Amino acid sequence: TQLLEQSPQFLSIQEGENLTVYCNSSSVFSSLQWYRQEPGEGPVLLVTVVTGGEVKKLKRLTFQFGDARKDSSLHITAAQPGDTGLYLCAGAEGFGNEKLTFGTGTRLTIIP
Amino acid sequence: SQTIHQWPATLVQPVGSPLSLECTVEGTSNPNLYWYRQAAGRGLQLLFYSVGIGQISSEVPQNLSASRPQDRQFILSSKKLLLSDSGFYLCAWSAGLLTGELFFGEGSRLTVL
Repeated sequence: TQLLEQSPQFLSIQEGENLTVYCNSSSVFSSLQWYRQEPGEGPVLLVTVVTGGEVKKLKRLTFQFGDARKDSSLHITAAQPGDTGLYLCAGAEGFGNEKLTFGTGTRLTIIP
Repeated sequence: SQTIHQWPATLVQPVGSPLSLECTVEGTSNPNLYWYRQAAGRGLQLLFYSVGIGQISSEVPQNLSASRPQDRQFILSSKKLLLSDSGFYLCAWSAGLLTGELFFGEGSRLTVL
């Protein structure tokens, strides 16, 4: 079973600060996704990274896929209260395997 | 555009009672369908997935079962609920692409008393 460990588990910072969330595995994934979830709702896809070393930017959010496709990071610049939520990474085994393995989650709270 | 709905949103059931959660997808055909369970504020555990009508794969041995009677309908059931079945249940679909992006329903909060 492939596992994805996220760190930190909890993060609470002031508005305007920068932060990085990590997603690590000993397994190789064909692609990796990041989701954000609000309380009481389903996760919403933020981004998909496919190529080792790939970097994608979504406004103040920067996503990077590790060169070996075993890890990923999410960096948020100048965090805002609207960034508060549960961030989940999820890896796809690909090659006809239709399952995603989800990470353990990072609960982010931005204090105004 | 595609939409996914699941119901009920909230359910409180006694131990030993049956369960039925339903999920339907609109705007697409032959989707892959998934049931996940989420512990409070944590990651998602895959329970069942289906790549077609009548095709169900179970990921975790448990007190639950799933069925797919129609192409865009996915049902999660139990004959007798346990306390440990409490949780937040999420239905999701994907187009079955190589990257497997998932689109989730609104979730169903189940409390077993």
